Amino acid sequence: GAGVSQSPRYKVAKRGQDVALRCDPISGHVSLFWYQQALGQGPEFLTYFQNEAQLDKSGLPSDRFFAERPEGSVSTLKIQRTQQEDSAVYLCASSVREQGSPLHFGNGTRLTVT
Amino acid sequence: AQSVTQLGSHVSVSEGALVLLRCNYSSSVPPYLFWYVQYPNQGLQLLLKYTSAATLVKGINGFEAEFKKSETSFHLTKPSAHMSDAAEYFCAVRQAGSNYKLTFGKGTLLTVNP
Repeated sequence: GAGVSQSPRYKVAKRGQDVALRCDPISGHVSLFWYQQALGQGPEFLTYFQNEAQLDKSGLPSDRFFAERPEGSVSTLKIQRTQQEDSAVYLCASSVREQGSPLHFGNGTRLTVT
Repeated sequence: AQSVTQLGSHVSVSEGALVLLRCNYSSSVPPYLFWYVQYPNQGLQLLLKYTSAATLVKGINGFEAEFKKSETSFHLTKPSAHMSDAAEYFCAVRQAGSNYKLTFGKGTLLTVNP
């Protein structure tokens, strides 16, 4: 079956622009996660959804970052007024609800802010 | 709070040699542990997971890892390295009782020399 799909794969934005990154999780996966991966680093947790409910947004670095999953499937991560420090790979992952279940990752969106 | 430490940001081995990538975790309760591999410009792929069923876990591509509670370790090994194993490897912990927030280490870049 299809895996987690993210679009676009690459995004170049001028500083101050708004961007929207899309994630299509694996069908039937209740849990959805966004991670930020800076160059040479491990992924850092941003936010978590269970169905359409955003249960944890403690990793969002500022109020310029906003995520939604209105119908419990596709999710969008929006970054307003992008800054150079937002340049990173943004990874989306989904999983079933059972404890200990692994996360399945998409290929990510590489955001470059110039 | 849970955390992961990967000792060695870069490991270099010869083709056919033993691969050993180190991971130590801290968790207030017994954790779920994972190893992921990331090839350039791709997302993370699950190699193996520990969920308390057995302390020695076998994964894909000939990798295995042993959970040692007394040492709080979950080191990844492969008896004989192949050129195709060159990639970045991430250890991650997910706390039992929590169905979210996979916490990653900073990663270890594995280079395989011919």
